[in-house]
Parts: sequence; C-alpha cells; structure tokens
Amino acid sequence: EAGVTQSPTHLIKTRGQQVTLRCSPISGHTSVYWYQQALGLGLQFLLWYDEGEERNRGNFPPRFSGRQFPNYSSELNVNALELEDSALYLCASSSDWPGQGYGYTFGSGTRLTVV
Amino acid sequence: GQNIDQPTEMTATEGAIVQINCTYQTSGFNGLFWYQQHAGEAPTFLSYNVLDGLEEKGRFSSFLSRSKGYSYLLLKELQMKDSASYLCAPEVNTNAGKSTFGDGTTLTVKP
Repeated sequence: EAGVTQSPTHLIKTRGQQVTLRCSPISGHTSVYWYQQALGLGLQFLLWYDEGEERNRGNFPPRFSGRQFPNYSSELNVNALELEDSALYLCASSSDWPGQGYGYTFGSGTRLTVV
Repeated sequence: GQNIDQPTEMTATEGAIVQINCTYQTSGFNGLFWYQQHAGEAPTFLSYNVLDGLEEKGRFSSFLSRSKGYSYLLLKELQMKDSASYLCAPEVNTNAGKSTFGDGTTLTVKP
C-alpha cells in the first residue's frame, strides 16, 4: 500500500511568488491535514479537509489556502510568499474523524525555501 | 485552545531508560498520541492512549492520566537510533481538527 505522497520534495521560490504543494493520501483515507514546521520548531496546524470540504483552518493568513479533490488528493496554495514561509510543509491523512484514535500517517513533506 | 508543555531537550546514554513528560490543557480531550520525528523526516506514530494507565509496546511505553492532564513516554534500552524529536499530541473530539502538537522533545542518545 502506498503511503502519503507529497510533491515536490524541495522548492525554492522568490519573495512575492506563489506556490502550490500537492498531497495524495493513503487509499481510502478521506481526511487530509496540512501542517507547517519551521526549522527547529513544532508543527503548526494549517488546514483540514474531509470529503472535499474545508473543515477547519489554523491561525494563518488568507494567503494560505487549499482544496481537496474528488479523489481526496489535496493542494496547498501560498500566495505572496514571505521569507518566514520557509518551512517543511507536511501533509497527513487519516481514515476517520477525531476521536477514533487512528492517528495520522504523514508524507515526507515539501521543503520550501523563500529567498 | 490547547496548551501543551514538554521539555525541549533531553540527553541519555545508550542502554539507559528515559522518560519524556508532557502536560496539556485542552477542552474536548479524547486521547493522546506520541509521535517520533527524526531530523528532516516526517513524524511517525508511536502510541495512542485513551484510558488512564500504562500501554506497553516493546521498548516504548506510554502513560496517561486524564485527571491530571499528564502523559509520559518511556523509552527503555536506549539505542543510538532513538535520537529524535518526540511529539506529544492531544486529540480533541471536536470539529477543530484532530491534533495539536507540542513543540517536541529532542532526545540525544550518547554512547
């Protein structure tokens, strides 16, 4: 069974540009979560999608957005990139809603560097 | 919101036992996850506690006290490969999303 796949693995962008990151969940998983992890820091919750709908978003500005497709894959878009957006962006999928204890399976992440 | 507190760094010797503590304050608490994250890699699931008490899984055990908002991860017979960050993640049973992660405890295992 394929795990959670993310693309690209690494990306370098210039301040002010836009970027799209992609995630394919484990087959059968309908929930996709996006997290940002700046170097040396913890995971910050960005977005949660389930069944094609945005269920919740973290404390990030509107230039962070995304969507989930009918096949449950997801995109994270970041507009007007700033230097502090440089981070590892992790996607995770799960087969259930909160409360079931199945946990996340994470992808390997996309390392975004903004220069 | 959620408030999660765990030590930033710990150091231990190969073969020893180490306990990583986590305290949390959260509403709608359902259970608690521990994840392991090696440098530059994605976190991987270690354990999940929903009932009070100790859950043992090989060299790793995890404890939960719901009334105290407290958990710990116990690592026995430490190996060099256990050097990693350990993330405490309370699970809330609301539509706010599954888990908020603590900043992690970076464990360094020395020979």
